[in-house]
Amino acid sequence: DVKVTQSSRYLVKRTGEKVFLECVQDMDHENMFWYRQDPGLGLRLIYFSYDVKMKEKGDIPEGYSVSREKKERFSLILESASTNQTSMYLCASTTYRLGLMNTEAFFGQGTRLTVV
Amino acid sequence: KNEVEQSPQNLTAQEGEFITINCSYSVGISALHWLQQHPGGGIVSLFMLSSGKKKHGRLIATINIQEKHSSLHITASHPRDSAVYICAVESSTLVFGAGTILRVKS
Repeated sequence: DVKVTQSSRYLVKRTGEKVFLECVQDMDHENMFWYRQDPGLGLRLIYFSYDVKMKEKGDIPEGYSVSREKKERFSLILESASTNQTSMYLCASTTYRLGLMNTEAFFGQGTRLTVV
Repeated sequence: KNEVEQSPQNLTAQEGEFITINCSYSVGISALHWLQQHPGGGIVSLFMLSSGKKKHGRLIATINIQEKHSSLHITASHPRDSAVYICAVESSTLVFGAGTILRVKS
């Protein structure tokens, strides 16, 4: 009954590497989100997308980019990984635009990224 | 000041105890979500509510829109309830609280 799938549970990358985190949802949702979760800070929004090829910056977009070439897939890209990007990354998707209609959010299992 | 405040940050309970986790927020919202995160990271949606009260099994969630406050209650707690419980409010995006780490001991 998997709905939102993140490609990796654990990743270890070197400083300066380009890192791709993939998220796929099978619910035909328009909206997809990338968050990072850090102790004491909760989940913070990095980027989100309301439609294919559309993207919006969240609260902490610096050092990240995203790609939404297909409706079901939303990729988070770390152009040049740094140690302060070591974190848990969570992908989510929803049907309707949040704020306009109450809707349940579905989350992936998370990717724990360590940058060394 | 964070827009979403949860309390307590950490909670240890004995099996069978009644548990309450609180969430206060300072922004206008269209809905509030209670989420559960188990070790390993996956997040599951427990409740989404915009008024009143919802119940699912041993879990009860309430919200008071005027007071900008919500509570999550767990009755007859069990060790398998041990997890991080996260409150999130829905405005233009989801804004998350820092989470409450719950440990239920047998």
